[in-house]
Amino acid sequence: ETGVTQTPRHLVMGMTNKKSLKCEQHLGHNAMYWYKQSAKKPLELMFVYNFKEQTENNSVPSRFSPECPNSSHLFLHLHTLQPEDSALYLCASSPQAGPYTGELFFGEGSRLTVL
Amino acid sequence: QQQVKQSPQSLIVQKGGISIINCAYENTAFDYFPWYQQFPGKGPALLIAIRPDVSEKKEGRFTISFNKSAKQFSLHIMDSQPGDSATYFCAASSRGGATNKLIFGTGTLLAVQP
Repeated sequence: ETGVTQTPRHLVMGMTNKKSLKCEQHLGHNAMYWYKQSAKKPLELMFVYNFKEQTENNSVPSRFSPECPNSSHLFLHLHTLQPEDSALYLCASSPQAGPYTGELFFGEGSRLTVL
Repeated sequence: QQQVKQSPQSLIVQKGGISIINCAYENTAFDYFPWYQQFPGKGPALLIAIRPDVSEKKEGRFTISFNKSAKQFSLHIMDSQPGDSATYFCAASSRGGATNKLIFGTGTLLAVQP
């Protein structure tokens, strides 16, 4: 596989459920990101990990819990979500710190519906 | 000051026409301005990007025009094709740190009619 892969592509969960989103990148990058995409809103940066260390938490509610066990994998653990959390969750990666390119490589996203 | 304002929200263009999407920013520390293209069911992908040391960058039918004094930049799609129908996001970021914090606009849904 190549690029950034996200699973599952679609997820429906109740407000009391616990689920996880998974992201895997095969690009050899060291930075990984979670973005939230809602209709008619800018892509919203949630979390940033660099070399497995969290470097950014953009005031995200604690019902979203990220995990980055290594530079290739990123998880977003979900629990007691609200209907307004329904959105497309995008994972992205970028190259190791060094020459500054600014390019993010996105996965296809996980469409989350909270009932 | 961290916002990037994008317009229009949606755009319909005839095949062969020119599509123009505009963005404006406030933060003068921004020094990298990419455009991302997103097709339905896919993640955004980098289309073209510009740095403020040039006023224009062209790649094939896609051109970014950059006006530093006005703090505006725009995407022009020449000879628009139905395959260009997608959502386009402008973004901005500033150099610094090991990771890239892109600030995105709200997106423009482009429909190119045959």
